[in-house]
Amino acid sequence: EVQLLESGGGLVQSGGSLRLSCSASGFTFSSSAMSWVRQPPGKGLEWVSTISSSGGSIHSADSVKGRFTVSRDNSKNTLYLQMNSLRAEDTAVYYCAKNCLGGETSGCLDYWGQGTLVTVSS
Amino acid sequence: QSVLTQAPSASGTPGQRVTISCSGSRSNIGSNYVYWYQQLPGTAPKLLIYKNNQRPSGVPDRFSGSKSGTSASLAISGLRSEDEADYFCAAWDDSLSGPVFGTGTKVTVL
Repeated sequence: EVQLLESGGGLVQSGGSLRLSCSASGFTFSSSAMSWVRQPPGKGLEWVSTISSSGGSIHSADSVKGRFTVSRDNSKNTLYLQMNSLRAEDTAVYYCAKNCLGGETSGCLDYWGQGTLVTVSS
Repeated sequence: QSVLTQAPSASGTPGQRVTISCSGSRSNIGSNYVYWYQQLPGTAPKLLIYKNNQRPSGVPDRFSGSKSGTSASLAISGLRSEDEADYFCAAWDDSLSGPVFGTGTKVTVL
């Protein structure tokens, strides 16, 4: 059974930093592209970043470029999101998601974690 | 900011058919596959339809997807109370070099 478990969320002041982690199991992590998607409270979904299976290719939304960095450790089956210079508008539930096979450049995410809430206070 | 547009709400009685639309542009729906996600209250999204009209294993055939030009649709036939959820469309956007999501449609079973 595929499982994705996010951690690291919490309350942080504007301008601060936070690192999210996503522990994966139940599939071959090193063969799967992975993504982060966020959802502000009561609002819709927004793609944040995608990293290829090897980590050699990264795509990020313009809204987080230069501030957020996605990375992965295939030896630990773990995905990360380093978030710096946080703003109030970054407040959201952050989901870790597995890209469909061959779907690094698509909107296909076949498994999602339960999410971790990040609250940025101004 | 959502690039794909959906009606904010839709409703129907048990057993009815409900259709949700998703409008985009040439750079996203017009040139790439469409995906649909179901988000039950308080839970994470779940992949419902992939590659315009394919259902993952375990998704009932009451759910169907279609695409025409720069728009796509999700149909729910034989509506059931457990279908009450938010539904989001998604597609890769060639201009943004990333996936974009729809604004979401809340389906209510009356």
